[in-house]
Amino acid sequence: GAVVSQHPSWVICKSGTSVKIECRSLDFQATTMFWYRQFPKQSLMLMATSNEGSKATYEQGVEKDKFLINHASLTLSTLTVTSAHPEDSSFYICSAVLADHSYEQYFGPGTRLTVT
Amino acid sequence: GNSVTQMEGPVTLSEEAFLTINCTYTATGYPSLFWYVQYPGEGLQLLLKATKADDKGSNKGFEATYRKETTSFHLEKGSVQVSDSAVYFCALSDQGNTPLVFGKGTRLSVIA
Repeated sequence: GAVVSQHPSWVICKSGTSVKIECRSLDFQATTMFWYRQFPKQSLMLMATSNEGSKATYEQGVEKDKFLINHASLTLSTLTVTSAHPEDSSFYICSAVLADHSYEQYFGPGTRLTVT
Repeated sequence: GNSVTQMEGPVTLSEEAFLTINCTYTATGYPSLFWYVQYPGEGLQLLLKATKADDKGSNKGFEATYRKETTSFHLEKGSVQVSDSAVYFCALSDQGNTPLVFGKGTRLSVIA
């Protein structure tokens, strides 16, 4: 089956530093990837839509200069949290859309970010 | 806009009990409906899905039927196990290449 990986699975960083999270579709091509954020015991909130070769589309309230998204290839999208603050601590999950008529989404295992 | 409403938890059941987690939706058109499960510390896994009215999705003993007339997609399992303890999310997608809209999730705890 289709597998999506995320790296790292967890990361601790200091306030003011930047962190890059990778999302890879391992055995399929994905023209579209979505980035979600999940707070403890809450649902997933869509942050942005990442399309290969074009700029990401951000949801209202998500700072595009803080959460930089790059979708450089059909199998890789990256989310960079710039100048991280403790309130950015969260569980970040990506999903990749199978680029066939099914448009099925496959989720990565998530990355837990803790900013100290 | 599209939305998903699912019953609030947490839900605590004894092993072998019957499970129902209610889910209703609001959408324009004819969305696809999904149930995802999230085990502690892990990402989301697709549990089952249905793409059109009256379809029944099923997997691992869980099932849900797409009811257009009641805009519902309730999750059921006849006999839960301790290993079913997780958070369950109902979700919809109104057309192909669009992000999922999630319900708030329902935490299920099954005790032996």
